[in-house]
Amino acid sequence: AQTVTQSQPEMSVQEAETVTLSCTYDTSESDYYLFWYKQPPSRQMILVIRQEAYKQQNATENRFSVNFQKAAKSFSLKISDSQLGDAAMYFCAYSSGSRLTFGEGTQLTVNP
Amino acid sequence: DAMVIQNPRYQVTQFGKPVTLSCSQTLNHNVMYWYQQKSSQAPKLLFHYYDKDFNNEADTPDNFQSRRPNTSFCFLDIRSPGLGDAAMYLCATSRVRGGGQETQYFGPGTRLLVL
Repeated sequence: AQTVTQSQPEMSVQEAETVTLSCTYDTSESDYYLFWYKQPPSRQMILVIRQEAYKQQNATENRFSVNFQKAAKSFSLKISDSQLGDAAMYFCAYSSGSRLTFGEGTQLTVNP
Repeated sequence: DAMVIQNPRYQVTQFGKPVTLSCSQTLNHNVMYWYQQKSSQAPKLLFHYYDKDFNNEADTPDNFQSRRPNTSFCFLDIRSPGLGDAAMYLCATSRVRGGGQETQYFGPGTRLLVL
């Protein structure tokens, strides 16, 4: 079974600074997809960024980028120029079929 | 805007009293999912529908059932809620199933409180 591990239950960052959230996963599959979802307090979960395992190039979405290390099974999220609105629970997720497997989440606090 | 809608946002029920949570979507997606999310934990998949094909997770208690009368609507029925069923229930959709590449779109969730 696939597992996803987020080793940082909580992180904090100063506004305008950069923060990196860690994620590792375990799988025997060769074709899969990785996601970072953001869940603000009392608001719905939204997709931040996704990465196809077959692509070597790291995905980027504006201030959000990933460092995908397939051999190490690592998928970290970098948030640049952090904003107050980035404060949320961030979930790393893995999918190789219809099922998403989530990590336990990292609560990000952004300090003004 | 196309979206995933969940009603109600908050639901209070009594121990053992059946409760139904609803989800609707305007995305015309084929797949609908129900997740249970307890406080500060990852969402846990309960089951999903691919069109009318129901797929139950092996560890989903029998107390949880689901109905999908049409493409747009999906319901979560809890037949006899226990205190341990208090949680946020998330509905999600995806266009198709399989391949893992399909992004899931989540609703805002229904927070269930069992008294």
